[in-house]
Amino acid sequence: KNQVEQSPQSLIILEGKNCTLQCNYTVSPFSNLRWYKQDTGRGPVSLTIMTFSENTKSNGRYTATLDADTKQSSLHITASQLSDSASYICVGRAGNMLTFGGGTRLMVKP
Amino acid sequence: GAGVSQSPRYKVTKRGQDVALRCDPISGHVSLYWYRQALGQGPEFLTYFNYEAQQDKSGLPNDRFSAERPEGSISTLTIQRTEQRDSAMYRCASSLGQAHSGNTIYFGEGSWLTVV
Repeated sequence: KNQVEQSPQSLIILEGKNCTLQCNYTVSPFSNLRWYKQDTGRGPVSLTIMTFSENTKSNGRYTATLDADTKQSSLHITASQLSDSASYICVGRAGNMLTFGGGTRLMVKP
Repeated sequence: GAGVSQSPRYKVTKRGQDVALRCDPISGHVSLYWYRQALGQGPEFLTYFNYEAQQDKSGLPNDRFSAERPEGSISTLTIQRTEQRDSAMYRCASSLGQAHSGNTIYFGEGSWLTVV
């Protein structure tokens, strides 16, 4: 059974600080892994997509890593801003099947 | 429109009533997905279509839930004899291709269903 688990469930950091969100996935056959940012009441917005051969990918202050051996991914946010407050969802894709993690709720405080 | 459109945006219904939620994907998109999302949770897969063919409905909770996409475009998710536990955000998404990696998936704003 495909599974995606995220940690921590919630996180509070001060503005300007960095943070790292974790994602462990069991998705087969693996196609790719995405990180989404979801603001309250809105649909998820894709941040990064990584395939099997990619280890690191950046999108502005967001950097995602993927370790295909350990089946772990992380999302690192640098110099956090108040607008980074949202849920961050890790999604594994196997063919046309998407398996979503439970998300990490990030709150950035001034 | 330019994005995935869902209607109604908000629906309040009495327990036992049937509801139909509509999804209008981005024009030309082959694959269409339905997800359910409870408050504070990640989306939960329900079912998906390639063109008009329903490929996987293993995520549908029970036989009160059904979906169709008769012409390979607009899709309807129907919930019969609604129960309070059906209350959630129902999200639709579409992607251009039915191939595997690299397709961007576009989500609609969702339909909030409240069963009272």
